[in-house]
Amino acid sequence: AQTVTQSQPEMSVQEAETVTLSCTYDTSESNYYLFWYKQPPSRQMILVIRQEAYKQQNATENRFSVNFQKAAKSFSLKISDSQLGDTAMYFCALLQGAQKLVFGQGTRLTINP
Amino acid sequence: DTGVSQNPRHKITKRGQNVTFRCDPISEHNRLYWYRQTLGQGPEFLTYFQNEAQLEKSRLLSDRFSAERPKGSFSTLEIQRTEQGDSAMYLCASSLGVDEQFFGPGTRLTVL
Repeated sequence: AQTVTQSQPEMSVQEAETVTLSCTYDTSESNYYLFWYKQPPSRQMILVIRQEAYKQQNATENRFSVNFQKAAKSFSLKISDSQLGDTAMYFCALLQGAQKLVFGQGTRLTINP
Repeated sequence: DTGVSQNPRHKITKRGQNVTFRCDPISEHNRLYWYRQTLGQGPEFLTYFQNEAQLEKSRLLSDRFSAERPKGSFSTLEIQRTEQGDSAMYLCASSLGVDEQFFGPGTRLTVL
């Protein structure tokens, strides 16, 4: 069975700092997609960044980048120059069978002024 | 705004009552998904549709749960004889094929 593990329940950093959220996963599929979703308090979930497993280059979206280590089944998210608006729950997710998303338990990130 | 919409946003019901939630996906999206999220946890997959066909159901979806997507447009999720353990946020998402899933705001169900 596919699983996604986020080992950091909570993290807190100062505004403008860089923070890295960890995620490991397990899958038997050779090609798959990985995602980081952000869920702000009382607001809906939005996609932050995604990575196709067949691509060796790490995905980057402005201040957000990933470190995708396929052999280690690791998919961490780095947020540079963190902003107050980055405060949210962050979920790592694996697209299973090109159908459903399998989510990790989430990391609650707080950016302090 | 043409994003995914869900109604109602909040539902409080008594144990044993039936409830129905509605999801309107992004209009051109052929796939629609239902997830359940309990407090402090990540969403868990319930079921998904490709057009009007329900292609997969999770073991989480007991016989009391039923979902439909008539004509491949909006979808409804019905829970019969609700139990306190059904209290959760029910999320709907849609996508165009195998692509980013766009989530709605969710329906928060409280069963008293």
